[in-house]
Amino acid sequence: KNEVEQSPQNLTAQEGEFITINCSYSVGISALHWLQQHPGGGIVSLFMLSSGKKKHGRLIATINIQEKHSSLHITASHPRDSAVYICAVRRSGNTPLVFGKGTRLSVIA
Amino acid sequence: SAVISQKPSRDICQRGTSLTIQCQVDSQVTMMFWYRQQPGQSLTLIATANQGSEATYESGFVIDKFPISRPNLTFSTLTVSNMSPEDSSIYLCSVTEDTQYFGPGTRLTVL
Repeated sequence: KNEVEQSPQNLTAQEGEFITINCSYSVGISALHWLQQHPGGGIVSLFMLSSGKKKHGRLIATINIQEKHSSLHITASHPRDSAVYICAVRRSGNTPLVFGKGTRLSVIA
Repeated sequence: SAVISQKPSRDICQRGTSLTIQCQVDSQVTMMFWYRQQPGQSLTLIATANQGSEATYESGFVIDKFPISRPNLTFSTLTVSNMSPEDSSIYLCSVTEDTQYFGPGTRLTVL
């Protein structure tokens, strides 16, 4: 079993829909990252969470440390949100990230 | 924030040859991470490169195949040696500051 599990693996949505991507992990962590990878390959860090909730524009990320679960929400989705969204956790300090397999999101106009 | 550049951005190489990928960061960082992303897969850590010491390799990756240099706090290279088609991947370097930063990646195709 992978240390970081994401669901769904693939997601297709209509423009304007509210989207949720889930991440569960099985180890103790110091931080959880949500990353976005566009088709060109570049990866951008959207959020780094250790507790609670963060919001940036139409993106919201939440984490429940007790349940070892995080969600990424996209409100009013747009075709430009189409990308692979990756959940990654860090166990402690400056240890390397452990990555989920990603969720491929396609938003159709 | 950190800005990371990688060279080359892509290359097509013949089996049996080697390619060296360069990673430059615009600030001094202690650790640099090298990742591989095979087609359709997520990222896999190859090694952690510390300045002034040997790189630490993950299970399944060895120094003879993926030698790494870290001559200073802003630069690192990863060499993919004796390449085979199975080495076709995107190779990314990454650093940690306030958050995680990734280079744009090097897309390698081995024929």
